[in-house]
Amino acid sequence: KAGVTQTPRYLIKTRGQQVTLSCSPISGHRSVSWYQQTPGQGLQFLFEYFSETQRNKGNFPGRFSGRQFSNSRSEMNVSTLELGDSALYLCASSALYRGPEAFFGQGTRLTVV
Amino acid sequence: GENVEQHPSTLSVQEGDSAVIKCTYSDSASNYFPWYKQELGKRPQLIIDIRSNVGEKKDQRIAVTLNKTAKHFSLHITETQPEDSAVYFCAASMGGGSQGNLIFGKGTKLSVKP
Repeated sequence: KAGVTQTPRYLIKTRGQQVTLSCSPISGHRSVSWYQQTPGQGLQFLFEYFSETQRNKGNFPGRFSGRQFSNSRSEMNVSTLELGDSALYLCASSALYRGPEAFFGQGTRLTVV
Repeated sequence: GENVEQHPSTLSVQEGDSAVIKCTYSDSASNYFPWYKQELGKRPQLIIDIRSNVGEKKDQRIAVTLNKTAKHFSLHITETQPEDSAVYFCAASMGGGSQGNLIFGKGTKLSVKP
């Protein structure tokens, strides 16, 4: 069974630009959560999608948004990039009906210059 | 807001010794507590978890204990090996665990010296 896949693995963007990251969950998993990982703040919850609906949102500005498609693949978008958005963005998928275990993708390393 | 505190932030042990990492959580509704191991440049890997109706769970050299009254849970690694060196994160579910979102501690960097 394929694991959680995130694309791209690395991105370099300029301040003010926008970026879209993609996450394909484990087959059969309908919940996708996104996290921002930085050395100072650790793993911080961005939002969670289940059956194409955002169920929870963390404490991030409105520049961070996401969506989920009918095949459970999810995208997150960051607009008007700031230097402080440089981080590793991780997504995790869960089956939920089998239990809350969350499995992470390898992440997308975003660098804003 | 809800949070998870994790201690210590760094831990250095000799090979063969035990290591203990402790976490406290604030959300009384939390009922699922996973632990993740993250090696340098890799994704966090789920190594063990515990649910609120259980006080202790073991898997070979690792164990987790939970005290719901005190809102504490801990990871215990016995007979540590150099390959145990990594950053370990504890987490607690939000919203009762039926939803896929976790609050993470800030991590513990474990170094096991040969």
